[in-house]
Amino acid sequence: GAGVSQSPRYKVAKRGQDVALRCDPISGHVSLFWYQQALGQGPEFLTYFQNEAQLDKSGLPSDRFFAERPEGSVSTLKIQRTQQEDSAVYLCASSPGLAGGLHPEHYTGELFFGEGSRLTVL
Amino acid sequence: GESVGLHLPTLSVQEGDNSIINCAYSNSASDYFIWYKQESGKGPQFIIDIRSNMDKRQGQRVTVLLNKTVKHLSLQIAATQPGDSAVYFCADPSGGYNKLIFGAGTRLAVHP
Repeated sequence: GAGVSQSPRYKVAKRGQDVALRCDPISGHVSLFWYQQALGQGPEFLTYFQNEAQLDKSGLPSDRFFAERPEGSVSTLKIQRTQQEDSAVYLCASSPGLAGGLHPEHYTGELFFGEGSRLTVL
Repeated sequence: GESVGLHLPTLSVQEGDNSIINCAYSNSASDYFIWYKQESGKGPQFIIDIRSNMDKRQGQRVTVLLNKTVKHLSLQIAATQPGDSAVYFCADPSGGYNKLIFGAGTRLAVHP
């Protein structure tokens, strides 16, 4: 398809298990983002990639969270030793240009989001 | 820290009426704002954006108004339809251009 694809759509994990969430961005999109959305809340930024480079990981809540995009396309978000507070929808988004562009006037906040991966930790 | 927030968590309207969703922001240096729509079980979808050098911007059935004096923006939806039922988020890149800060959202329920 032409959109951002995420898998699995639903994941149930026992506390302490490791999980891996995959994101296939729109082909050719340079920027890739991960957001976490708790129930009834707005999405919260986790991390940003420009091609294969992870330029911002300031939103990752702990060192149990790790993201990669080794070839500048598909990205994986890994959560080690999951805890109940990790239960949320994890959203991946991509955009064609650089975040910020060449000039602030050219900036666009239009991100293309996937449908998310809903993680439930028991 | 600086944040974008919303006045009302839920808005109920009759089909065909106009809807107004409000958003307040706290960072007076914010120069760009964006509205997203999120339907149940889906990811957010871009609706419209506005830069701080504008007071108003119109799209198809939607208008965004920006009042920098009181740090308030609103999304107006004309002739609301059942398909408009969703959660609406305002957001801005006050955390940096690679990092949108989203408000908590307003749920719009459209009744026949």
